[in-house]
Amino acid sequence: QLHESGPGLVKPSGTLSLTCGVSGGNIGSGDWWSWVRQPPGKGLEWIGEIYHSGSTTYNPSLRSRVTISIEKSRNQFSLRLTSVTAADTAVYYCARVTYYYDTSSYYFDSWGQGTLVTVSS
Amino acid sequence: EIVLTQSPATLSLSPGERATLSCRASQSVTSSLAWYQQKPGQAPSLLIYDASHRATGIPARFSGSGSGTDFTLTISGLESEDFAVYYCLQRGNWPPYTFGQGTRLEIK
Repeated sequence: QLHESGPGLVKPSGTLSLTCGVSGGNIGSGDWWSWVRQPPGKGLEWIGEIYHSGSTTYNPSLRSRVTISIEKSRNQFSLRLTSVTAADTAVYYCARVTYYYDTSSYYFDSWGQGTLVTVSS
Repeated sequence: EIVLTQSPATLSLSPGERATLSCRASQSVTSSLAWYQQKPGQAPSLLIYDASHRATGIPARFSGSGSGTDFTLTISGLESEDFAVYYCLQRGNWPPYTFGQGTRLEIK
């Protein structure tokens, strides 16, 4: 299971910080761990993901403002998004990206319940 | 960036009918495409991965097909719990991984 936590309100130009706690599994198991967001009433946007080794890959549209990190000792990973604006208001989901051996491919297969972050003064 | 275009935007059908949802990619993603179902207030859940493989626990009425740029999700014999929003996702060409804009399946 995955569970997001962090402030629900962030001021414009501030920094959004969220943590995803992983229970019932080991974050160092070899999967990728991802963040996806969804503005209210809109579609899904992939933010980025991190491997258990610490390797990261980010959406180019957000790369200059995003950092994803992992804390294996606490079985959690985190998202940091700087210089936020109202356009960053969204439900933020953390997700596990599982390797499917039968097709040698990775897909999001387990998600947190999501947390709404509003950017407003 | 690969753009995924889903059609139709909204599909109105009755329980028991067959639903056919389309996802078209702006360039080939081979078979690296998944389908997700999202109900109001919930996170997406995986239905189909790698174009045609049902995820664990997904009923057989859900099936996926396609490769390259054209993909289809078919739901045979709609049940009340199937009315939701469906998204396709490509993981064949990154970064970034991209989602379609969604198809809303509503009760007629």
